Amino acid sequence: AQSVTQLGSHVSVSEGALVLLRCNYSSSVPPYLFWYVQYPNQGLQLLLKYTTGATLVKGINGFEAEFKKSETSFHLTKPSAHMSDAAEYFCAVSDSNYQLIWGAGTKLIIKP
Amino acid sequence: DAGITQSPRHKVTETGTPVTLRCHQTENHRYMYWYRQDPGHGLRLIHYSYGVKDTDKGEVSDGYSVSRSKTEDFLLTLESATSSQTSVYFCAIRKMGQRSLYGYTFGSGTRLTVV
Repeated sequence: AQSVTQLGSHVSVSEGALVLLRCNYSSSVPPYLFWYVQYPNQGLQLLLKYTTGATLVKGINGFEAEFKKSETSFHLTKPSAHMSDAAEYFCAVSDSNYQLIWGAGTKLIIKP
Repeated sequence: DAGITQSPRHKVTETGTPVTLRCHQTENHRYMYWYRQDPGHGLRLIHYSYGVKDTDKGEVSDGYSVSRSKTEDFLLTLESATSSQTSVYFCAIRKMGQRSLYGYTFGSGTRLTVV
């Protein structure tokens, strides 16, 4: 069965530094891969989605993610962190029935 | 998010009492989901629905029941609340295109405390 692993429950970066949040899936290439963001006391919002085509996907707020089939990865990056990026980030993949399988989440902490 | 609302936003209840949480959508989507979110566990699926009166269990369904008598409403009931059910509960709807998945849209959550 498909599973999703997010490396690091907490990631801390300095303001202006590169953000890298890691996500790996376990089995066959899923039809869809997602990143969601959750700001404090809010629901989850879609950040970006990959299905087919270009493996580098651009999302909102300057984030992007690259699908690498050979590494079964879908890591999220942003060149320069901003204080407003502090949130929890969730990676998810869909199965063949469009049910989402979720990673455990990574809290991004931005140091001033 | 526009199109999906959860009520109440906050609730404190006593152990052993029944509690019902409501999820309401305005966009006529077929699939609706209930999740709970706890530190260190991410999102865990409780139940989901794929149409009126059509529901199925998720990975943490024990102690919960659901009902969907109308397309727009999906209710989650804790039959007899326990302290282990203290959590934040999220409802989500699955948005589909023609044979494609747009994604899931989430409500703002219900923070439930069982004392």
